Formats: sequence, structure tokens, C-alpha cells
Amino acid sequence: GDQVEQSPSALSLHEGTGSALRCNFTTTMRAVQWFQQNSRGSLINLFYLASGTKENGRLKSTFNSKESYSTLHIRDAQLEDSGTYFCAADGYGSSGNKLIFGIGTLLSVKP
Amino acid sequence: GGIITQTPKFLIGQEGQKLTLKCQQNFNHDTMYWYRQDSGKGLRLIYYSITENDLQKGDLSEGYDASREKKSSFSLTVTSAQKNEMAVFLCASSIWGGQDTQYFGPGTRLLVL
Repeated sequence: GDQVEQSPSALSLHEGTGSALRCNFTTTMRAVQWFQQNSRGSLINLFYLASGTKENGRLKSTFNSKESYSTLHIRDAQLEDSGTYFCAADGYGSSGNKLIFGIGTLLSVKP
Repeated sequence: GGIITQTPKFLIGQEGQKLTLKCQQNFNHDTMYWYRQDSGKGLRLIYYSITENDLQKGDLSEGYDASREKKSSFSLTVTSAQKNEMAVFLCASSIWGGQDTQYFGPGTRLLVL
């Protein structure tokens, strides 16, 4: 089965509101990355976490390796936050930094 | 800072054709990767390379070849394009093969007629 389960698959927010995206992992992961894919298809790095919480502007991410999940919180959403958000996990035992991607969350921010 | 460039941006091919995609990075990163993204899906790893002349298969390597000619470049070949195939191929790099951030290029969009 899928090792990275991402939810929700789609999310609609009004400007100024916030929400959380979540990834559950079916095996122990040693790190997680979050990306935003914009309308041009470029993947923008948001966070890399081996543990704990990181914050950058209106975004905050947490990785709990013991309970096998990660979250991405968006607050005060802006129109430019629209896009597809992916989490990608780095599992133990892999040589090279092999990322396993979730299916993505399509975020639409509306005025 | 650095940048990853992928060429071409768009690639239209014919069924059965051999097609080559190129990736260059100036981060001086050791490890490079090729991923495939199908519409509405996450990325899947095709090949990666932890150093010059190294090649490691990912989950989706069948139907592809790759070549790490030098540290800064990593090319991917579709050995026989499949009719109506449509996907985006994304190249990435990271400092080394341990716990480190991967940085992605802008992608090559493939359409096979």
C-alpha cells in the first residue's frame, strides 16, 4: 500500500483564513519535505524537517516521527498560496535520499 | 544559491522514438534524481545518481536509461516512447545522499503523438 497518505486531496480557502494539511506515514520515516507546486509546475521548497516544528511566515510545519505524521499549517491565506502542496518522506534504509511523495493537496484560495 | 536547468521545456515525440532529456545543476551537489509526474499524481522516482558515473534504479526505471556524465549533469532517455503518453519529468539534486533537502528543476513536459 501507499507509504505516504496525504489529505485532503483538495481544499478551498477564502483569503485571510487558514487550514492544515496532513501526511500520515505507514512506516517510520526519518525526514519529511513539503513543497508547493505553482501554476507553472515548478516545485518550491517549503520545509525540510527531521523532527519538531519549523515556521516560515504564514506557514508552519511539524513532523512527528514517533507517531508517523506531518502537518503543514497555512494561516492568513493569500491568492498566491494557490497550487498543489506535496509532502515527501525520506524512509530509513534507503541509500541516497529517496523521497516518497504523497498525491498532493490542490489548494484554491479565493477572494 | 544555485539553479537547476532542464532542457527541453517541452518535448513532442512519436511512438517508438528514443527521447533524451537533460538536466544541469550548479549547486555542486553530489546526488541527482529524475522523477516522473503524471497528471493529478505525486512524483515517482525513475533513477538517481549519488556521484559521477553512478546510477541507481528507482521505482519506475523500466523503459528508461540514465547517464551521469559529470557531476553537474544527469540525462534521462525514454527508450521507446509510448503512444498518447503525457507526463512531466522533473530533475532534482541534493548535497549528498543523506538527510538533505532536494531542489527541483522546472520540468520537461512530454507529449507522445
